[in-house]
Parts: sequence; C-alpha cells; structure tokens
Amino acid sequence: NAGVTQTPKFQVLKTGQSMTLQCAQDMNHEYMSWYRQDPGMGLRLIHYSVGAGITDQGEVPNGYNVSRSTTEDFPLRLLSAAPSQTSVYFCASRFKARADTQYFGPGTRLTVL
Amino acid sequence: GQQLNQSPQSMFIQEGEDVSMNCTSSSIFNTWLWYKQEPGEGPVLLIALYKAGELTSNGRLTAQFGITRKDSFLNISASIPSDVGIYFCAGHHHFNAGNNRKLIWGLGTSLAVNP
Repeated sequence: NAGVTQTPKFQVLKTGQSMTLQCAQDMNHEYMSWYRQDPGMGLRLIHYSVGAGITDQGEVPNGYNVSRSTTEDFPLRLLSAAPSQTSVYFCASRFKARADTQYFGPGTRLTVL
Repeated sequence: GQQLNQSPQSMFIQEGEDVSMNCTSSSIFNTWLWYKQEPGEGPVLLIALYKAGELTSNGRLTAQFGITRKDSFLNISASIPSDVGIYFCAGHHHFNAGNNRKLIWGLGTSLAVNP
C-alpha cells in the first residue's frame, strides 16, 4: 500500500492564481480530510469528507473548495490564492468508525507571493 | 477553534536523557492521542489512550490518560537522535461522539536531541 499520497510536494503561486492540491489513498478509507499547518497555530481542519459525494466544512474552510467523486481521491482547490494561504497542507484519511486512527500524507508546502 | 494546552513548547536535550511532556484541557476528553511529526513529513500516530488512568507503552515511549480526563502525559526514555521531531497531542471531547467527531489538537512540543 502506498498509504496517503499528496502532490505536489512544493508549489509557489502568485496572488490570484488557482491550483489544485491532489490527495489519494489506497486503504479504502471512507473518511478523508484536509488540514493546514502554520507556525504557532498547530493543525487546523479545512474540509472533510465521510464518503464519495459527501463533503463538509471544517474549522477554516474559506478560500478552499473540495469534492469527493471517488473513495480514493480528495482534491483541494484554491480558486484565487492569497498570501494568507501560504502554509503546509496535509491530507489525512481513516476508516469512518476509527476516529482515533488517522493516516497523514507527506504534505504540500505552498507559498503564495 | 479550541486547542489543547501542550507543554513545553520546545525541548533541547542530550542523548540518553528522559523526556516528559504533557497536554491539558479545560474540558473532559474521551480519547487522547499522541502523534510524532518528523521534518518534511506528516504526523504519525504513536499511542492512543481510551480510558482514565490508562498507561500505554510503545517501545521507549509511554503515555498516560490522566485520571481527571483533562490531561495526558508522554514520556520518552533514553532519548536517541532519531527522536527529533514535533510531538502533538490530540483528542476527542466527551460530548463529541460519532464517527465524524473531530480531533482537537495541541500546538506541539518540538524536541531536539544533541548526540
């Protein structure tokens, strides 16, 4: 199993550009989520999904869109990047019934100029 | 959003020393989790705790679920250079039940080990 994979590893954007952060998992997990990690702020939940076709907002959803068309993939879209979105983004997945056991991807480091 | 109080914020120790860190909350938790994040990687679950007073070990790591259910502790014995990283506590509130319950995170303890 590859676990949770994220692409790209690094990205630099200009303000106003759009991009999609990719996340895939091969563990057949129903639950997938996106976090951002900023110095002094810890991990903050952006969006999550409990299954294909179902998404919901987390703690800091503004400026981000998600969709879940398959169990395996959960892309995160930035429609108009802002410097405040400079961060490290982590995708995570788990079985819906195992809220205690979450697997994280390696992260995407995003810089918005 | 609410976060857990994790301390210390950072530690710089000599190889071979023991390490202690803790996490506290103003409310009761049903689950306490300890994660480690190495540089350039995502967090990895080390230990999960499910009931008050529980003491669980994972190699040189030992974690405890506080009897008040408002705190948890992580100890690392005989530290080695590969223990370097950020250690996060996380947990679920007692009133946040169900499969979709969200984790509450601490801000992390950054550990550096001098060989």
